Formats: sequence, structure tokens, C-alpha cells
Amino acid sequence: DTGVSQDPRHKITKRGQNVTFRCDPISEHNRLYWYRQTLGQGPEFLTYFQNEAQLEKSRLLSDRFSAERPKGSFSTLEIQRTEQGDSAMYLCASWGQGVYNEQFFGPGTRLTVL
Amino acid sequence: KNQVEQSPQSLIILEGKNCTLQCNYTVSPFSNLRWYKQDTGRGPVSLTIMTFSENTKSNGRYTATLDADTKQSSLHITASQLSDSASYICVVSDPGGNNRLAFGKGNQVVVIP
Repeated sequence: DTGVSQDPRHKITKRGQNVTFRCDPISEHNRLYWYRQTLGQGPEFLTYFQNEAQLEKSRLLSDRFSAERPKGSFSTLEIQRTEQGDSAMYLCASWGQGVYNEQFFGPGTRLTVL
Repeated sequence: KNQVEQSPQSLIILEGKNCTLQCNYTVSPFSNLRWYKQDTGRGPVSLTIMTFSENTKSNGRYTATLDADTKQSSLHITASQLSDSASYICVVSDPGGNNRLAFGKGNQVVVIP
């Protein structure tokens, strides 16, 4: 257990529906990252927050995707009008300043769009 | 082109045997290189982290090496166990302020009895 939690762990939805995922980072960490991972691939960067500010978004983050971190603690990732291509593992990572500036990953949310 | 290339893509080894996974990277300069273990359906968990000035780091039966001159790293698993079956991902961090990570695709290891 890395101290980062994600909810839900699995989500099955029909194409066109909206879904929302939550990430709770390690409490003292001020940075939070979202990644997407498909089968056989490494994680791909989506976006990251420093406290409540969203500082960078990847080109992978289409208009249907939105992320928030309203109080600088937990974060949500919403996907609107889901498509089958959105099926993937969505990973959250928490970062705190230290010797190695390490990112700690949550267990992920597995999304399946039917 | 991916900045982090791993080989072999997958391998099957007998329980108790050793194996070595390779990682070549082009990220330069870099802050640190990490090896993560990712069990199926789970998030990656850190095994080792090395800065550019370190050339070896051990964590139990896992030993990572780093050659910053040739931009190569390896992860050696000693006396493999069934629980070592997982994907091993090589990750390179750039020294920029946003702590961006470049991920390899992973080495898929299957340990069989």
C-alpha cells in the first residue's frame, strides 16, 4: 500500500455515459498526477496539479476529459460521453519533495466501455 | 520514438532461476532512473531509484544497475519466485520542475514452477 487510494477500482459503462474517478493522494503531498495505461504499454501522462492549480495537460486529454482538485487534496477525473477507446487503467500518482522526488502510484481504476 | 526502450518485451523463467531485464534511454539530462513492479490490475510500486551518480542499488532479490555513459540500466532478479510474475517498468525522470516521467513499456515476466 503506497498511501494513495483510488475509487472505484473497476468501472464498466456503456458508450456515451459519463464517468468520474476519484484519487486521494498522500496527505502532505502537494502534487498529483493522472496517467492512462493501456494493455502492454507504460503509463501515459494526462495532467498534473500543484495544490489546486492544474499546471499541465497532455494532448491526450481531449475536451471530453476534465480534472479537478478543488481544495488541493483529493482529485477527480471525469470523462464525458465515453468511447470504447477510453477503456484503460487510469492511474493517479502523488508526489512529495524528498531526496528522490518520487511519485507514489495508486492502485488504479480499470475502465471498460462497452 | 519512445525515450525509454525495454527488452525483452516478455520472458518466461523457471522458479528459482535468475533473469536480467534491460532498459535503454535517451532522456538527457536526467534526474533519476527508477524500476517499478506492476502486478496485473494494480498500480506500479517502486523497487529501486538511482540518481545519475549511482551505479547500483539493491532491494532484496532485486538489483538495479545504471551506466549513465551508455544510458543503460538493468534489473537483475535473483532466485525468482512465483510472486515475481509481473511487469517491470523502467522510468526516467527529467530534472525539470514538473517532475515529468518517461516510461518504458515494461518487461512482462512470468515465473513458472
